[in-house]
Amino acid sequence: RKEVEQDPGPFNVPEGATVAFNCTYSNSASQSFFWYRQDCRKEPKLLMSVYSSGNEDGRFTAQLNRASQYISLLIRDSKLSDSATYLCVVNPPRGSTLGRLYFGRGTQLTVWP
Amino acid sequence: EADIYQTPRYLVIGTGKKITLECSQTMGHDKMYWYQQDPGMELHLIHYSYGVNSTEKGDLSSESTVSRIRTEHFPLTLESARPSHTSQYLCASVPAGGPSDTQYFGPGTRLTVL
Repeated sequence: RKEVEQDPGPFNVPEGATVAFNCTYSNSASQSFFWYRQDCRKEPKLLMSVYSSGNEDGRFTAQLNRASQYISLLIRDSKLSDSATYLCVVNPPRGSTLGRLYFGRGTQLTVWP
Repeated sequence: EADIYQTPRYLVIGTGKKITLECSQTMGHDKMYWYQQDPGMELHLIHYSYGVNSTEKGDLSSESTVSRIRTEHFPLTLESARPSHTSQYLCASVPAGGPSDTQYFGPGTRLTVL
């Protein structure tokens, strides 16, 4: 079983739409969680961390459900510039290999005018 | 943002050749990583390093090797390239004392082996 599972999409939405991505992780002892963004043929970049209480950064809201081992990302008022692949990323439990991350395969989003 | 560089950006090479992909960063980061990513697929960790003279293999079985003689450089070498090595290779680093989530990625090397 993969460490991180994501629906690969693609999601095609009009400008202004609200879109939500989900992912699940396999190791219940995982410590921390993130969303990265990867533009076509570019490197991944950290978008935001995901905290247990949920957190918001402008139009982006991240949620974590530890009981269900489920992470979500909500994008409100989608912009053309939001078109990218969104990677769900998990940091393994303390005591395992330090400083490594597990990446999902990403969910592709296309926002059209 | 960290300055992390990879060369070459694109490489097309024949089977059996030895190649070295360069990765360097100018910020004195201790932790460095190599990932392999095929189109539409997840990143797979192939090597990592916690500092000079420290290297470890990652999850994905890889025929590549790495070295970390200097903090700034973390080159990856394929002794004999094969078509199955065709992929994108991404290098990343983490500032000293920083959490692993703050991985800064280089632009990547797209390798095609004919």
